Amino acid sequence: KAGVTQTPRYLIKTRGQQVTLSCSPISGHRSVSWYQQTPGQGLQFLFEYFSETQRNKGNFPGRFSGRQFSNSRSEMNVSTLELGDSALYLCASSGQGSKFFGPGTRLTVL
Amino acid sequence: EDKVVQSPLSLVVHEGDTVTLNCSYEVTNFRSLLWYKQEKKAPTFLFMLTSSGIEKKSGRLSSILDKKELFSILNITATQTGDSAVYLCALQLAGGTSYGKLTFGQGTILTVHP
Repeated sequence: KAGVTQTPRYLIKTRGQQVTLSCSPISGHRSVSWYQQTPGQGLQFLFEYFSETQRNKGNFPGRFSGRQFSNSRSEMNVSTLELGDSALYLCASSGQGSKFFGPGTRLTVL
Repeated sequence: EDKVVQSPLSLVVHEGDTVTLNCSYEVTNFRSLLWYKQEKKAPTFLFMLTSSGIEKKSGRLSSILDKKELFSILNITATQTGDSAVYLCALQLAGGTSYGKLTFGQGTILTVHP
């Protein structure tokens, strides 16, 4: 089975812009969750989707949003980017109770 | 806040040594505890533990969960330089408000010298 894929792998944006990241889960997995990883805060949960419905959301401002499509692919969007949004954004696909991470999107905000 | 604490925060060993990484937590109601290895990229899944006292093994790595004392350990025997990485422990909580959420520890940085 192919693993979790994320695009793009690297992204450079400037403050105030918006960005959309994409994640395709492992085939057959219907749950996708998103995490932000920074050196200072470690891995923090953003949100989780299952069958196109957001089931859970972490403590992030409303600038962070997401959605899931009928084929289980998911996107997350960050609007009005801030310097502090620079991070590795990881998507995880859930199956058999375990979570498998994609390679991540490295976002740099200048 | 549901706390997951890993120790030590960093560890330097030589090839061939055996290491034990610790993960302690404060939550009693959780679905599973997961271990990941992270090099300069995304976390790679190692183990999922749900039952106390049952050891999971994969090659030189093994892990066990103690639900009574609220901790898990990850053992690596005969370490190799390729084992150098950050090892992350995460809890998957139970309950409807915990869907999809893993609560991570701060990680243990393992460095294996040749």
